[in-house]
Amino acid sequence: DAKTTQPNSMESNEEEPVHLPCNHSTISGTDYIHWYRQLPSQGPEYVIHGLTSNVNNRMASLAIAEDRKSSTLILHRATLRDAAVYYCILRDLYSQGGSEKLVFGKGTKLTVNP
Amino acid sequence: KAGVTQTPRYLIKTRGQQVTLSCSPISGHRSVSWYQQTPGQGLQFLFEYFSETQRNKGNFPGRFSGRQFSNSRSEMNVSTLELGDSALYLCASSSDREEGELFFGSGTQLSVL
Repeated sequence: DAKTTQPNSMESNEEEPVHLPCNHSTISGTDYIHWYRQLPSQGPEYVIHGLTSNVNNRMASLAIAEDRKSSTLILHRATLRDAAVYYCILRDLYSQGGSEKLVFGKGTKLTVNP
Repeated sequence: KAGVTQTPRYLIKTRGQQVTLSCSPISGHRSVSWYQQTPGQGLQFLFEYFSETQRNKGNFPGRFSGRQFSNSRSEMNVSTLELGDSALYLCASSSDREEGELFFGSGTQLSVL
């Protein structure tokens, strides 16, 4: 069963910010919040991850609620290349590499309009 | 640094046959995990190998098996193929560190006729 809940789809216009929500109400204290995205005809690629504090990298920002039961992936200026399925998953801090049974769910399909 | 390589890219088989898919992880990564992706079920975890040992397994029948070699390359095998096995099979490698991100290959698209 998916540990996270995401909207099935979202739409945005090019060069506008996009906020992709994710609910994870059963998150445990040792779970990292990871985001991946999958472009058409490709495998998923890592976007960002965080534990408690907000995180920024060259691709996106991750805003984590104070109670950690939800998070938001922020794309500051969407481009056509950002059109993809975005997955929010939880990864146990004490699990090495990919040893746990990661549950990806269906993700959010982001459409970016020119 | 070369990424995760999966071969073949496309495969067509008939029911009852068996198939072997290959995955070469990023150099230095000892963890390799496999996923099945279908439109209806999304991404589903198959199994994960670390240093030639299976560490975890998803809820798939015994027809799905895998192995890992000493150079960390991994293969997965599906025997007695069924129509429902048609899917994109993805392999991911990861380093040992706790927050190790997964690096996915482009997958093998398997069609069972």
